[in-house]
Amino acid sequence: DAGVIQSPRHEVTEMGQEVTLRCKPISGHDYLFWYRQTMMRGLELLIYFNNNVPIDDSGMPEDRFSAKMPNASFSTLKIQPSEPRDSAVYFCASSLLAGGYNEQFFGPGTRLTVL
Amino acid sequence: KQEVTQIPAALSVPEGENLVLNCSFTDSAIYNLQWFRQDPGKGLTSLLLIQSSQREQTSGRLNASLDKSSGRSTLYIAASQPGDSATYLCAEGNDYKLSFGAGTTVTVRA
Repeated sequence: DAGVIQSPRHEVTEMGQEVTLRCKPISGHDYLFWYRQTMMRGLELLIYFNNNVPIDDSGMPEDRFSAKMPNASFSTLKIQPSEPRDSAVYFCASSLLAGGYNEQFFGPGTRLTVL
Repeated sequence: KQEVTQIPAALSVPEGENLVLNCSFTDSAIYNLQWFRQDPGKGLTSLLLIQSSQREQTSGRLNASLDKSSGRSTLYIAASQPGDSATYLCAEGNDYKLSFGAGTTVTVRA
């Protein structure tokens, strides 16, 4: 298995532009998670999906952030419009099960820089 | 609110010394405790997962213990090597969510 795949790996954009981050989870995993990592706040959960349905989006910082999972093999995280404080590394993770067996596997991340 | 603390924030040891990394958490009703490794500029690699019903897990030179009553987990790395230099994060899991500590950055000096 290729693991969790994220694209792009690096994104540099200007303030006000729309940014779309992409994730392909491990095949067969029912749970998909989007995290953001910054020096100041560490790793924060933004949103997670179960069977393509958003379950908890309480970590999404503002309405500028949105996430979708149109099918079991693809998810997007969109920021519109982007701001410099959105600069961070965004990780996607997936897991097969919930509960005590919830071992999460992370993608390599997308490093976003908003100028 | 779940809180996960890792102390110290950084650790430097000579090669061959055993490493002891600490993690404390406030939620006694956790489902599991997971340890990750993160290399600079890279993603997270899962090292060990301890379910709430377990006391420890072992993989090679790594051993992780879990004490729910005291809210503590410890990761032991035996006979450290320079290749063990990385940031180690622990995360407590409820049913589907993980709450992460800030990590301990380890440097193993050759």
